Amino acid sequence: QKEVEQNSGPLSVPEGAIASLNCTYSDRGSQSFFWYRQYSGKSPELIMFIYSNGDKEDGRFTAQLNKASQYVSLLIRDSQPSDSATYLCAVNNDYKLSFGAGTTVTVRA
Amino acid sequence: DGGITQSPKYLFRKEGQNVTLSCEQNLNHDAMYWYRQDPGQGLRLIYYSQIVNDFQKGDIAEGYSVSREKKESFPLTVTSAQKNPTAFYLCASSNPTSGRETQYFGPGTRLLVL
Repeated sequence: QKEVEQNSGPLSVPEGAIASLNCTYSDRGSQSFFWYRQYSGKSPELIMFIYSNGDKEDGRFTAQLNKASQYVSLLIRDSQPSDSATYLCAVNNDYKLSFGAGTTVTVRA
Repeated sequence: DGGITQSPKYLFRKEGQNVTLSCEQNLNHDAMYWYRQDPGQGLRLIYYSQIVNDFQKGDIAEGYSVSREKKESFPLTVTSAQKNPTAFYLCASSNPTSGRETQYFGPGTRLLVL
């Protein structure tokens, strides 16, 4: 079993819709969770981090964490063409991050 | 401007050659990391260092070596023992605090084999 798994893509959403990205992790001791956005050919950039159960909102992005279910998600509201990228879920594990394979999102105009 | 720089942007390696990728940060971060990314895959940890003069192997350290002589610098050498080095190499840094540190990435180096 992989440490961090993300829903397989690609995910295609119309402009203005909500994109929903899911991530599950195997280590119950993980304390911090991150979402990175990676444009093609570029390095990952941090979108959000979340430490506590519940929702965390930042602009059009909402991260949701459920430690009991070992599940973290990212919602992108009012999706824009500039949101088209690969989104990486990362989970802290003893001062190291484990990454999922990523979900590629395409926002169509 | 604070940030992480990596050089070169593209690097070509010949068979049997060792090559070194540079990573420098001026964020005053204690920890630095090297990852490898293959097409369609997530990032895999090669080596990491939490303090100067100390570093640990990650999940795929074979065929790679590092040094951490200065806080700002964490060069990665891809040795001839690494048989499949073609990948996108990413350096990151963070300030570890109780396991909640955020890692920030440099722009990456793309390594190709001639």
